[in-house]
Amino acid sequence: DAMVIQNPRYQVTQFGKPVTLSCSQTLNHNVMYWYQQKSSQAPKLLFHYYDKDFNNEADTPDNFQSRRPNTSFCFLDIRSPGLGDAAMYLCATSTRADTQYFGPGTRLTVL
Amino acid sequence: GENVEQHPSTLSVQEGDSAVIKCTYSDSASNYFPWYKQELGKGPQLIIDIRSNVGEKKDQRIAVTLNKTAKHFSLHITETQPEDSAVYFCAASTGTGGFKTIFGAGTRLFVKA
Repeated sequence: DAMVIQNPRYQVTQFGKPVTLSCSQTLNHNVMYWYQQKSSQAPKLLFHYYDKDFNNEADTPDNFQSRRPNTSFCFLDIRSPGLGDAAMYLCATSTRADTQYFGPGTRLTVL
Repeated sequence: GENVEQHPSTLSVQEGDSAVIKCTYSDSASNYFPWYKQELGKGPQLIIDIRSNVGEKKDQRIAVTLNKTAKHFSLHITETQPEDSAVYFCAASTGTGGFKTIFGAGTRLFVKA
């Protein structure tokens, strides 16, 4: 029944230790997004894929990378997590029709 | 670039009363306006949306109005229930694709039983 799935739901990592978050979708949407959401704030777009075309937001730190090996999966890699990277990470998908469907999110804790 | 302002930041209503959340946007090219509800520890869920070719849309207890001239859109929830308590985000996007959706800062709604 789930349409946008994120794993894990909770991730704990150590300062500077690389971490990968995953997202999969059953909607066959061609656009996938990664957002960062900090407490009591709106989601902040990090980047998106339109099919295989990667689009990075200008203010997304180089520490954040993404991979999309196929239509269904997209990964967020944080190369050297800092304390300021602790947040909820949301994956979303859409077609060209604008409506974005969000996953449940992965809450990242950095120790 | 596009900017979306949302008010109020916090709203507390009695069960059964109505709740209204207002947003303004800056880019006149914006033509799609979704509203998302986010419960604690969950991802945002679309509750209603409106496109620029209509002025109002209703779905049971939820309605959205759009004033393109004033660049203003609002969410109306009638007969509020405790399960309506959540954070609500308005958003605006331009063109097809929705690749760049700008979110408002959110409104935390409390419905008191």
